[in-house]
Parts: sequence; C-alpha cells; structure tokens
Amino acid sequence: QVQLQESGPGLVKPSETLSLTCSVSGYSISNGHYWGWIRQPPGKGLEWIGSVHYSGSTNYNPSLKSRVTISVDTSKNQFSLKLSSVTAADTAVYYCARDYGGNSGSFDCWGQGTLVTVSS
Amino acid sequence: QSALTQPASVSGSPGQSITISCTGTNSDVGTYKFVSWYQQHPGKAPKLMIFDVSDRPSGVSNRFSGSKSGNTASLTISGLQAEDEADYYCTSYTGSSTLVFGGGTKLTVL
Repeated sequence: QVQLQESGPGLVKPSETLSLTCSVSGYSISNGHYWGWIRQPPGKGLEWIGSVHYSGSTNYNPSLKSRVTISVDTSKNQFSLKLSSVTAADTAVYYCARDYGGNSGSFDCWGQGTLVTVSS
Repeated sequence: QSALTQPASVSGSPGQSITISCTGTNSDVGTYKFVSWYQQHPGKAPKLMIFDVSDRPSGVSNRFSGSKSGNTASLTISGLQAEDEADYYCTSYTGSSTLVFGGGTKLTVL
C-alpha cells in the first residue's frame, strides 16, 4: 500500500525558505507517475503548487513559479519542496500526493498533511 | 490562471441526489478530459472520488458520478447519506502542464 509522509519545520520566519520532504513507502517513485505538492491555508481551499516526475521534470503553478523548486531523490524514494521568500500568506497545511494519471490532477494517494506557519 | 468556479454550498436530504458544478474556460475544463473531484472531511486529507471527468477509482461508491458539458464539469451524488457531508473540490488540467483547483463546495446533508 502506497503511503506518503510529509516532514519539515512547522514554523518558518518571514523572508526565509520553507523546505519540506515527502517520503514515499510501499511504491517506488521510479515506477513512474508525477508527484505533487498541494497546500491549503487555514479555512480556505486547495491550491496546486507543482509536480515532479521521477525523471526530474517539473511543472509549477504560474503564480508561485518564481519562488518554488520541487526536486526528486529516487535513491531515497523522496521528493521535496522549497518555497523561498515566504510571507504570512504562505501559512498553510502542505500535502504531498501521487498523481496517478501523470500530471492530470488525479491525486490518488495523499500524505496526512503538515501545517507550516510563517511567523517571526 | 484563475480558479475554477464552484458554488460555495449545496445541501440535500438523505436519499436525494445533488449536483455540484465546476465551471472553467476553453483553456481548461472545456478542452481537456482531465477533470477530477475530491472529497475532504474536516481535518483530513482530500480523497479522490472521480478522475478523467467520469471515472471512479476502485473502492469509491457508484453513488458518485461525473460528467462534463462544454466548460462545466459536474459531480452528482445520488442516494445522499450523512457521511457524504464534506467539502468537495474539482481540479482540471489547464494546458502548459499546469493544474487548477476550484474554490470548493460545502455539502450539507439536512
């Protein structure tokens, strides 16, 4: 059974870089698919941040593209998110997920989510 | 890219059917078959209910169905049950290899 688990600091200071890792178990990232990051500010809706293919190919939300880097480490079966120059507006629950259909938005397996708060 | 448009809330009584709409543009919903729907209960991760407009993942009840007409996709839940009360989100591929979510719809089972 595929399982995803987000990890990283729960508190980040304004202007710094948010860094999260998603560890995948029960399935090899190298088998294919895209792997994505989605966030949800408290009390608000879902926002796609971006996705990465096991080959390293990436796609980003145009509104966040200048600040986002998503990478994959197949040797560790992990993929990661970096979001630079964060502000309070970046406070959210961050989810990692597998895109079953290949960058089609059909995220069939999700992590439990991790709350990241941006505050000094 | 703009978020897809969903009604903020819908409601229905147990046993009834409800439909949630998801309106996009010719650049997303209207052009691509890659529309998905998610159910999210409070404090939980979203769950995939429909993908590729009308396909159901294994294990999802056949009370959930999806369709599309023009720039609007729809999720229909038949035989409404109390456990269906949740937030529902649509998403679509937009071209340029990007994705966009709808604003979400809160379903209340009366």
